[in-house]
Amino acid sequence: AQSVTQPDIHITVSEGASLELRCNYSYGATPYLFWYVQSPGQGLQLLLKYFSGDTLVQGIKGFEAEFKRSQSSFNLRKPSVHWSDAAEYFCAVAGNTDKLIFGTGTRLQVFP
Amino acid sequence: EAQVTQNPRYLITVTGKKLTVTCSQNMNHEYMSWYRQDPGLGLRQIYYSMNVEVTDKGDVPEGYKVSRKEKRNFPLILESPSPNQTSLYFCASSFWTGGSYEQYFGPGTRLTVT
Repeated sequence: AQSVTQPDIHITVSEGASLELRCNYSYGATPYLFWYVQSPGQGLQLLLKYFSGDTLVQGIKGFEAEFKRSQSSFNLRKPSVHWSDAAEYFCAVAGNTDKLIFGTGTRLQVFP
Repeated sequence: EAQVTQNPRYLITVTGKKLTVTCSQNMNHEYMSWYRQDPGLGLRQIYYSMNVEVTDKGDVPEGYKVSRKEKRNFPLILESPSPNQTSLYFCASSFWTGGSYEQYFGPGTRLTVT
């Protein structure tokens, strides 16, 4: 069965520091992988997605993610975090259907 | 503008009082779904529809009903709401094309059942 694990429930970083949010997935074939961000009181915004090809994916707001098949991971990174990045981040996987399986989310707090 | 709309955005109701949350998309997508979001659990699929008159259960369907009489609309029905259905609900529509996949989410409906 497909599943997504986000091992970090809550991460705190200082503004300007680098960020890496972890995501591990379980899926038998090549997965389609997504990162979404949800600001407080807001809906979901797609940051980036991976379907095939280059394993390093660039997204919006300066985020990138790297697909590593050998580690079943799709970690999200940003070289320098801004206070406006404080939000909850969700990793998701889709298989051969339109259903998205979401991780439980990582809440990012940014200190000035 | 491509969008998924939901109404109402906020709803407070009492146990047992039937309610409907509407969802509409303007992209002619065949696939639509409902998710609920709860703290520490992420988003979980409630029901989905692959086309008009074709619906099926997701991971947490208990206490919910859906219908798909038109392609653009996919209402979520709670016939007898209970407090454990207090949650944030998202409607979504999606499509696959040429190896690409797009999923659009509505703005969410925050439901409180007292």
